[in-house]
Amino acid sequence: EVQLVESGGGLVEPGGSLTLSCAASEFTFSRFAMNWVRQAPGKGLEWVSTIGSSADSTLYADSVKGRFTISRDNSRNTLYLQMNSLRAEDTAIYYCAKGSGGAPGFQYFQHWGQGTLVTVSS
Amino acid sequence: DIQMTQSPSSLSASVGDRVTITCRASQDISNYLNWYQQKPGKAPKLLIHDTSNLQTGVPSRFSGSGSGTDFAFTISGLQPEDIATYYCQQYDDVPFTFGPGTKVDIK
Repeated sequence: EVQLVESGGGLVEPGGSLTLSCAASEFTFSRFAMNWVRQAPGKGLEWVSTIGSSADSTLYADSVKGRFTISRDNSRNTLYLQMNSLRAEDTAIYYCAKGSGGAPGFQYFQHWGQGTLVTVSS
Repeated sequence: DIQMTQSPSSLSASVGDRVTITCRASQDISNYLNWYQQKPGKAPKLLIHDTSNLQTGVPSRFSGSGSGTDFAFTISGLQPEDIATYYCQQYDDVPFTFGPGTKVDIK
């Protein structure tokens, strides 16, 4: 069974930085695109970013472009999200999600982790 | 960006009832439409991909239909464990966008 375990969330001040990790297991990590999707408290789901299987292609929502960087280490089966210049509106549960294919586009979110909470507040 | 709308925003039905949720895209997305279930305090779970394909292990009482801009999700016999919020999501174009969700309750 696919396992995705996020970590790295916490409380950070506005303007601060945080790096999230997602440890993947029970599937061939290097063959699939990976995603970050977030959910603000009491709100709906918002796609954040996607990275292709070989890390050669990335996609970002306009709301995070230029501030967040998605990356992956296929040797460690780990996905990352580097978040800079954090704002109050970035407060959310951040979910790691396995894609259905290797390319970053035309893939759906097939399996999800349990999420890690990021709170941006002074 | 492709906007996704859902109706109703919430519904209450009895155990065994047939429940239908509709999802509309702001432009043609072919069949690139997925449905997710999110139970309270839990992560979302993929139920249906590409409009009508049931994810492995998902009960057959869940189904999906539609194409272009109009889609439907049906539970043919609501069960207590189906209490959740259901989201549609398009992946025809970036940014991938979700509908606002439909909260399903037991009457």
